[in-house]
Amino acid sequence: DAGVTQSPTHLIKTRGQHVTLRCSPISGHKSVSWYQQVLGQGPQFIFQYYEKEERGRGNFPDRFSARQFPNYSSELNVNALLLGDSALYLCASSLSQGHVLTFGAGSRLTVL
Amino acid sequence: GIQVEQSPPDLILQEGANSTLRCNFSDSVNNLQWFHQNPWGQLINLFYIPSGTKQNGRLSATTVATERYSLLYISSSQTTDSGVYFCAVMEYGNKLVFGAGTILRVKS
Repeated sequence: DAGVTQSPTHLIKTRGQHVTLRCSPISGHKSVSWYQQVLGQGPQFIFQYYEKEERGRGNFPDRFSARQFPNYSSELNVNALLLGDSALYLCASSLSQGHVLTFGAGSRLTVL
Repeated sequence: GIQVEQSPPDLILQEGANSTLRCNFSDSVNNLQWFHQNPWGQLINLFYIPSGTKQNGRLSATTVATERYSLLYISSSQTTDSGVYFCAVMEYGNKLVFGAGTILRVKS
């Protein structure tokens, strides 16, 4: 079985642009979570979706949004990019809430 | 919110040595995971261990939930063990709160 897959793996944007990151969970997993990892720090929680509904939101500005599709895949959107948005964005899936999270390889975003 | 502290922040070992990494957390939890982050950024699940002891090869972990700490033991370390080790606890839903990590360097 495939693990959690994320795309793109790397991307470079300029300030003010927007970006869309995609995540496909492990087959059968209904919950997807997004995390931001800035260099030198641990991952920080951004969003959690379960059964296509937002179930949790971290301390991130409204420029960050996400959604989950009927097939349980998910998108993370970031508008009006800032230099500080440069980070590794990690997606994790789990069977349901409170279960073990399995992470994808991440999307590395550089904002110039 | 829950606070997670890891120690030591950095650790350098000679190949073959043993090590213990510690994770303290500020509140009771029912989900604790240890991860290894490789140089490419992939977070690899090591253990799901809200309480008790588990072993997987050269690695083992113990969580004492009543005293709010967890330990990760690495025996006979190898260069491939190098990377960052994270402890994370679940605050609610699927919100994992991560510690700052322990950077492990194993020298041959």
